[in-house]
Amino acid sequence: GAVVSQHPSRVICKSGTSVKIECRSLDFQATTMFWYRQFPKKSLMLMATSNEGSKATYEQGVEKDKFLINHASLTLSTLTVTSAHPEDSSFYICSALTGGEAFFGQGTRLTVV
Amino acid sequence: GQQLNQSPQSMFIQEGEDVSMNCTSSSIFNTWLWYKQDPGEGPVLLIALYKAGELTSNGRLTAQFGITRKDSFLNISASIPSDVGIYFCAGPRYGGSQGNLIFGKGTKLSVKP
Repeated sequence: GAVVSQHPSRVICKSGTSVKIECRSLDFQATTMFWYRQFPKKSLMLMATSNEGSKATYEQGVEKDKFLINHASLTLSTLTVTSAHPEDSSFYICSALTGGEAFFGQGTRLTVV
Repeated sequence: GQQLNQSPQSMFIQEGEDVSMNCTSSSIFNTWLWYKQDPGEGPVLLIALYKAGELTSNGRLTAQFGITRKDSFLNISASIPSDVGIYFCAGPRYGGSQGNLIFGKGTKLSVKP
């Protein structure tokens, strides 16, 4: 199957700092990528849809100024958690579509201390 | 809004036993997806179902798309220790693409050797 890679897999940052998470489609191009968030022992919740060359579409209740998304190329989308707080600690997962099927990255565990 | 009700929440079984889990919804889905998530990893697609009544197998896994299009089940036969993980059902929100998925709350499977 297609490969979607996230980096980093784990990150610890201090409160108030910003953290960038990358999502790459390694063997296909993706005009659209998707960012999910997963709290411990919970399900995945879609945060936003990342569109190459245009603004991201955010789900209701997700702060666009808090979670900055940039989709600068057909193989890379980035999610930046700005001014991180402990409540932003979570597992962030991206996905990309190819052939109508969604492929997920391995996730990024963010811990804000 | 759309919701997927997945049960059971967790299962503790002996190696070699068969497992069954299911997902129901009050709304119709045009696609049912079953994923497995290992700890600290992103979800991996196990089986995709596209037609009402469809029964699909993938090795020891079998899944069915309910006739009413409001439910699906996943069976695992002759479980082995590597089946341990969290299993999620998912479907495209509002009949859209697999990029915008709504997930069930997951079934955590534990297998005792």
